[in-house]
Amino acid sequence: DGGITQSPKYLFRKEGQNVTLSCEQNLNHDAMYWYRQDPGQGLRLIYYSQIVNDFQKGDIAEGYSVSREKKESFPLTVTSAQKNPTAFYLCASSMKWLAGALSTDTQYFGPGTRLTVL
Amino acid sequence: AQKVTQAQTEISVVEKEDVTLDCVYETRDTTYYLFWYKQPPSGELVFLIRRNSFDEQNEISGRYSWNFQKSTSSFNFTITASQVVDSAVYFCALRMDSSYKLIFGSGTRLLVRP
Repeated sequence: DGGITQSPKYLFRKEGQNVTLSCEQNLNHDAMYWYRQDPGQGLRLIYYSQIVNDFQKGDIAEGYSVSREKKESFPLTVTSAQKNPTAFYLCASSMKWLAGALSTDTQYFGPGTRLTVL
Repeated sequence: AQKVTQAQTEISVVEKEDVTLDCVYETRDTTYYLFWYKQPPSGELVFLIRRNSFDEQNEISGRYSWNFQKSTSSFNFTITASQVVDSAVYFCALRMDSSYKLIFGSGTRLLVRP
């Protein structure tokens, strides 16, 4: 089945620890994204990658880091510098974004990882 | 500035009622795209529809319909004969042609009671 997988589903972290959230897609999508969702709120973009070995900061990148060594994978590390990391994290992917692209930009989402800091 | 407003925080209806979820957007771009996603209790966002700014034709898909009106900057979503399985949080989102970013509204939680 084609899709986006995220692991783990639930993650508990002690304060001061770094943790890495996994995101893998087999849709052959070029672009991948990480979002954070807090209770009762919409999604906020953390990082974005349009191509392997390249990524850009989103609106709330502080305290997070990413890598894009393979097209299929876009792991997110939540570092100890992130002051309030407890949240629901969603990964998404799409075909490469191009200005004027009419139908290739739809983002499809994974099932999410719920991170709790103890 | 670009913005998406979903003024209805929560809606509760009885099964088989029709319900409309409102979405109002702000943008100065002439080319943009609007989306609706459904987030069931499991958490995954499910893509429902994508609409281009130059296509104001309304769309119907089964019990779902969407009303896009540029004159009022609205992209409302109606569920006809609602079912318990429709219970979820629904998000409206906007993307300008000049940007990769999806701008989400804060979502509307729909509860369909049996």
